[in-house]
Amino acid sequence: KAGVTQTPRYLIKTRGQQVTLSCSPISGHRSVSWYQQTPGQGLQFLFEYFSETQRNKGNFPGRFSGRQFSNSRSEMNVSTLELGDSALYLCASSEISREEKLFFGSGTQLSVL
Amino acid sequence: DAKTTQPNSMESNEEEPVHLPCNHSTISGTDYIHWYRQLPSQGPEYVIHGLTSNVNNRMASLAIAEDRKSSTLILHRATLRDAAVYYCILRRGTSYGKLTFGQGTILTVHP
Repeated sequence: KAGVTQTPRYLIKTRGQQVTLSCSPISGHRSVSWYQQTPGQGLQFLFEYFSETQRNKGNFPGRFSGRQFSNSRSEMNVSTLELGDSALYLCASSEISREEKLFFGSGTQLSVL
Repeated sequence: DAKTTQPNSMESNEEEPVHLPCNHSTISGTDYIHWYRQLPSQGPEYVIHGLTSNVNNRMASLAIAEDRKSSTLILHRATLRDAAVYYCILRRGTSYGKLTFGQGTILTVHP
């Protein structure tokens, strides 16, 4: 099976712009989660989607949003970008099971100038 | 989420065993112990998980203390490719995608 695919791999934006990141989960995985990784804060959970519904949300402002499509592919959007949004954004997918193992993509490195 | 404590860094020599400790004194009876690792320039990778009994898979072994207040991830023969940040995480029930990552242990493997 192909792994979790995230596009684009790198992105440069300026303050005030908005950005959309894409994630294709492993085939058959219906849960998709998003994480932000920065040197200062480490890995932090953003939100999780299952069957096109957000089931869980981390402690991030409303500028961070996401959605999931019927084929389980997911996008996350950050509006009104700030310098502090520069980070590696990681997507993970998992099967719905008691094991709940997450499989991560390689991430999108976002730089906000 | 219950907190885990790991050493900031550890070093090992290639082909030697590595024991990565994790303390979780406030673990509850329903918390699963998960280990992930993150290699440079990659997303985290699932390594192993357990509840009460010791677990083995092709990547590693997980030894869980009888009182479950600590656990140890064992890499039987470290390779240079095992150099990574290792995260010990407690997951309570269904986490709906949320894992709480700490700072982890940076493992350096010397040739």
